[in-house]
Amino acid sequence: RKEVEQDPGPFNVPEGATVAFNCTYSNSASQSFFWYRQDCRKEPKLLMSVYSSGNEDGRFTAQLNRASQYISLLIRDSKLSDSATYLCVVPPGFQKLVFGTGTRLLVSP
Amino acid sequence: DTGVSQDPRHKITKRGQNVTFRCDPISEHNRLYWYRQTLGQGPEFLTYFQNEAQLEKSRLLSDRFSAERPKGSFSTLEIQRTEQGDSAMYLCASGTAYEQYFGPGTRLTVT
Repeated sequence: RKEVEQDPGPFNVPEGATVAFNCTYSNSASQSFFWYRQDCRKEPKLLMSVYSSGNEDGRFTAQLNRASQYISLLIRDSKLSDSATYLCVVPPGFQKLVFGTGTRLLVSP
Repeated sequence: DTGVSQDPRHKITKRGQNVTFRCDPISEHNRLYWYRQTLGQGPEFLTYFQNEAQLEKSRLLSDRFSAERPKGSFSTLEIQRTEQGDSAMYLCASGTAYEQYFGPGTRLTVT
């Protein structure tokens, strides 16, 4: 089983739609969780951290379910500029990041 | 520009040749990471440095790969006797264990 698994998509949604991505992880000892965003042919950039209580940043909401070992990212009112690959990141400790394969989102007019 | 920089941005080489990539991290960051990313995959960890000390190496880093960070500033990643399977984007990042800032990457094509 991979350490971090994501549905690769692509998710095709119209502008204004709400879309959610899930990510499952295998290391039950992981304490921190993140979502990174990667635009086509660009480097990954930190989008948001995922706190145990869940957190919200504008149109983006991240949730953590430790019992089921999955995290989610919800995007409301999708914009064309949200089109990108969303990478789930679950560090196994305090040294490095472990990325999922990424979920590709395409928002169309 | 005070971000992470990498050089070259693109490298095309023939199988069997050696290549070297350079990464200049954000100056105040002690940690420097190397990752490799192939099409359709997320970045995979290769190695990281805390100042000049190389603290962890992935099993992906075969003996053809070597990384250095002399004086704890810039870092180099060398691949000897390149193989077609080495074709990938090589990403450098600096920051903390959790918040890492990535450079634009070096795209390697081995023909």
